[in-house]
Amino acid sequence: QSALTQPASVSGSPGQSITISCTGTSSDVGAYKYVSWYQQHPGKAPKLMIYDVSNRPSGVSNRFSGSKSGNTASLTISGLQAEDEADYYCSSYTTSSTYVFGTGTKVTVL
Amino acid sequence: QVQLQESGPGLVKPSQTLSLTCSVSGGSISNNNHYWNWIRQHPGKGLEWIAYIHYRGGTYQNPSLRSRITTSIDTSKNQFSLKLSSVTAADTAVYYCARDNSGYASFDSWGQGSLVTVSS
Repeated sequence: QSALTQPASVSGSPGQSITISCTGTSSDVGAYKYVSWYQQHPGKAPKLMIYDVSNRPSGVSNRFSGSKSGNTASLTISGLQAEDEADYYCSSYTTSSTYVFGTGTKVTVL
Repeated sequence: QVQLQESGPGLVKPSQTLSLTCSVSGGSISNNNHYWNWIRQHPGKGLEWIAYIHYRGGTYQNPSLRSRITTSIDTSKNQFSLKLSSVTAADTAVYYCARDNSGYASFDSWGQGSLVTVSS
């Protein structure tokens, strides 16, 4: 299985909105509503930010939102803050009952 | 609140078997809704899913690693384990254990990670 494709980097100024894409295939992202997103700060374990395409776990800011169209999922961060600077990964369940992660996106707050 | 903690050797010789255990506290590993995963991250690289195991014994592995992976679960100790055989330098990574709370790639709890270096 191939990693899902994400842009290597995305940047924005404080207060702006940014969107990170996650492109897969009809065997993963396009097959189900089972895409999740993770935030990872340097030296830390990843943190679940979005699950099942668009659901936020308790405690995650509503500035984070997710969506999906066809084989591409997206994570939008609105009202960008300095603390949002981190690496972000998408993940998807696959038709083989396995999981696959995205290539990762480094978010920089200018 | 559930907590996960990886343990195992930090250094493994090439061709040997990497063994890691994840201890789960604050919750039962025998919850039918939970799937217990191993995920790794090569230095400076992205996340790679390795395998998951359910307490009833069901398990799936990354196809690219399947021939070298053995997973097990010990409900009496609330632990699950990973063995990766015939390791090479390419297996040097931080290994995380994580809980999937749905069976559909929703990793809501993670261990802190364990760096395993493969070197002679």
